[in-house]
Amino acid sequence: GQQLNQSPQSMFIQEGEDVSMNCTSSSIFNTWLWYKQDPGEGPVLLIALYKAGELTSNGRLTAQFGITRKDSFLNISASIPSDVGIYFCACVSGGGTYKYIFGTGTRLKVLA
Amino acid sequence: NAGVTQTPKFQVLKTGQSMTLQCAQDMNHNSMYWYRQDPGMGLRLIYYSASEGTTDKGEVPNGYNVSRLNKREFSLRLESAAPSQTSVYFCASSEAIVVDFGQGTRLTVV
Repeated sequence: GQQLNQSPQSMFIQEGEDVSMNCTSSSIFNTWLWYKQDPGEGPVLLIALYKAGELTSNGRLTAQFGITRKDSFLNISASIPSDVGIYFCACVSGGGTYKYIFGTGTRLKVLA
Repeated sequence: NAGVTQTPKFQVLKTGQSMTLQCAQDMNHNSMYWYRQDPGMGLRLIYYSASEGTTDKGEVPNGYNVSRLNKREFSLRLESAAPSQTSVYFCASSEAIVVDFGQGTRLTVV
């Protein structure tokens, strides 16, 4: 089936550092979403990308929709301890119903 | 506006027992979903309901049944729980592109 590959799987960074993670697919998608899951909670939407090449920011977060429509990147600037969690990319598989495909996640740990 | 509400939050079952996970949303969304989350596997779709009165299998439907009781409620039933169904279960709903999740149910089958 369709898969989204996220890298890295996990990362430890120092507070204040910038973070980059990416998500790739063998298929083309027209929408990319980035979610964050805090420990013990459900995923929460961070950024939605609707157009190839689009660069969108949400505070310290910036995400880009790859021009090939097969990848996306999420950057976090000046990380803080509350950035800890799992970050998921997701795409809509389409076909008239909103069936979502999720990546396996990038687990971020921030060292104070 | 509570969003997506799941109950229970935690549950321990013995192998072979049955139970129903409840989910309700108050956002008037048409589509609802059940996912399971396992370490290293991300979120996998169990069943979804594109609209009231319809349900369809997702990626991992075996061992589960669902009921879209009305527009607000979408329940997930385990008829005979197995240890392989130990997981965190998330209900979600959507109207447009963005999907909203509940807080999850942590289920352990012993």
